[in-house]
Order: sequence, then C-alpha cells, then structure tokens
Amino acid sequence: RKEVEQDPGPFNVPEGATVAFNCTYSNSASQSFFWYRQDCRKEPKLLMSVYSSGNEDGRFTAQLNRASQYISLLIRDSKLSDSATYLCVVNEGTNAGKSTFGDGTTLTVKP
Amino acid sequence: GAGVSQSPRYKVAKRGQDVALRCDPISGHVSLFWYQQALGQGPEFLTYFQNEAQLDKSGLLPSDRFFAERPEGSVSTLKIQRTQQEDSAVYLCASRGQGGEQYFGPGTRLTVT
Repeated sequence: RKEVEQDPGPFNVPEGATVAFNCTYSNSASQSFFWYRQDCRKEPKLLMSVYSSGNEDGRFTAQLNRASQYISLLIRDSKLSDSATYLCVVNEGTNAGKSTFGDGTTLTVKP
Repeated sequence: GAGVSQSPRYKVAKRGQDVALRCDPISGHVSLFWYQQALGQGPEFLTYFQNEAQLDKSGLLPSDRFFAERPEGSVSTLKIQRTQQEDSAVYLCASRGQGGEQYFGPGTRLTVT
C-alpha cells in the first residue's frame, strides 16, 4: 500500500462544475500537507497549503481530517485552465523531513 | 528572485554510461530534495539534504548506482552510475521554503538507450 493514495481519475467535467478530490495518507505523525498542480511535461507547482481548520483560495478549498487521515481539494466553477494533474503531498515535519507525493488525480475540464 | 534551475534539461545516455545531473536551489533555502518521476506517476522521493548533510537517502536504496551530494550546502549533484533503461525518467529537484512548501526546477529528462 502506498503512503499517500489518490484516485487517479481521470475526472472529466464540464466548465462551471464543482469537483472534489480526496487523498489519504498512512503516516499518522505527518505534520504538513499541500496540494500541487502539474501540467503536462512541466514541473509541479504549489497550489495551496492545507491547514487543520480548512482554507480557501478563490475557487479552491482545501480541508484536512487528521482523525481519518485524509485531505481534500474542492474546485468550484471549473475553468478550462484548471485541466491538470493535482498532486497531494504529505510532509513528515512542518518544515523538516521527507515529503511524499501521491500519484496525482487528472482533471479535464471540457467546454 | 531566481527559481530552482537544473541542468541539463535533456540527457540521452547509452546503457552503462554514468551521468551527473545538477541542481541550483533558491538562494538561502536550506533543504533540497531529489525526486524521480516516471510517466503517469507522482514524483518518487530519492533523497533530501539539509544544508550539506544528507538526512534521508532511503529513496536511493537499494540501488548502489545512485548517489547525491551537496558539498557546500548549495548546488547539488545527482549521479547515476552504469545507467539502465529503467532509469529513464524525469529527475526533479526542489528546494523548500520556510512554510514547508517546495519549489521545483524544470527537471532533467533522462533517456537511456
């Protein structure tokens, strides 16, 4: 079993749709969590950090459930430009230790 | 300021050759990571440095062909000896900011023929 697991998708949604991705992690001692976005043949780029209280950045909302060891990302009012692979990342420490990536969830937003 | 840079961007090696991949992190970033990314998968952890100290190299094991160094706590080199076809992948370097977020370089795409 992988340390960080994501539904690979693909998720194919129309413009304007709301879509949610989940990610589960196995190391209960993990301290910090992030969502990254990766476009085809490009490097991953930070989308947002994930805080225990949940956080929002425009159309994007991230939530963390430590008890169940999962992280979620909600995208509202999907745009064509949201089409990408979304990677969940779990760190051993707040600013220390190893980082483990999921294999990503692919999203395609269609007109 | 400047981001993370990596060189070369593309490398073709014949099986059995040694290769060296370079990473220049963001200035002042203490932590530096190397990942291997195969097609359709997420980045797979190889190793991690804090300044010049290699704190975790679990991802380099059990291969005895992969080595990484960061002798002065800045630039890092990932060396692959006696390359095999299964080493073909994108090798990503990232440096870590104060909040734990990582900033990636563009990667080196290695093809072993």
